[in-house]
Amino acid sequence: KAGVTQTPRYLIKTRGQQVTLSCSPISGHRSVSWYQQTPGQGLQFLFEYFSETQRNKGNFPGRFSGRQFSNSRSEMNVSTLELGDSALYLCASSLALGVSTDTQYFGPGTRLTVL
Amino acid sequence: AQSVAQPEDQVNVAEGNPLTVKCTYSVSGNPYLFWYVQYPNRGLQFLLKYITGDNLVKGSYGFEAEFNKSQTSFHLKKPSALVSDSALYFCAVRDLYTRGAGSYQLTFGKGTKLSVIP
Repeated sequence: KAGVTQTPRYLIKTRGQQVTLSCSPISGHRSVSWYQQTPGQGLQFLFEYFSETQRNKGNFPGRFSGRQFSNSRSEMNVSTLELGDSALYLCASSLALGVSTDTQYFGPGTRLTVL
Repeated sequence: AQSVAQPEDQVNVAEGNPLTVKCTYSVSGNPYLFWYVQYPNRGLQFLLKYITGDNLVKGSYGFEAEFNKSQTSFHLKKPSALVSDSALYFCAVRDLYTRGAGSYQLTFGKGTKLSVIP
């Protein structure tokens, strides 16, 4: 079974631009979460989706948004990019059959560089 | 709020020796605990998890972790380290009391860089 896939793997943008990152969960998985990883802050939770609904949101500004489609694929968008948004953005999926013990499986990440 | 602490930024161990990567946690309810490993320029790879039951959890690649409720710890161990184990290790906790039963969100520690010396 294929793992979590993220596209693109690398992205270079300039300040003020916007960016959209894509995540395809493992087949059959219904929950998708996004995390930001930086050397200074470590791994921080962005948001979590299930059945096209946002369930939880981390402490990030409104420039960060996301959505989930009916096929469980997810996108996240960052508008008005800032230098501090440079990070590895990780997507994770869970089976989400109502069992909270589910493991989250991570994709390889999208490396975003803001110049 | 839930939190995870990994007190060591780096752990060095000789190949063939046992290794331990430390993790302590703080949650309001019962903890669900996870260990992940990250190799350079890669995503996180799941190693093992503790949900309930036996305090010694066995996972992938010969790793195991010991849950200690009284010390609120979940240390990762391996009896004999390999050079290929060199990577960044993350401990994480899921706190359903705070986040709700429908959440799969994880709170991560800062990570511990493990270097296995040949």
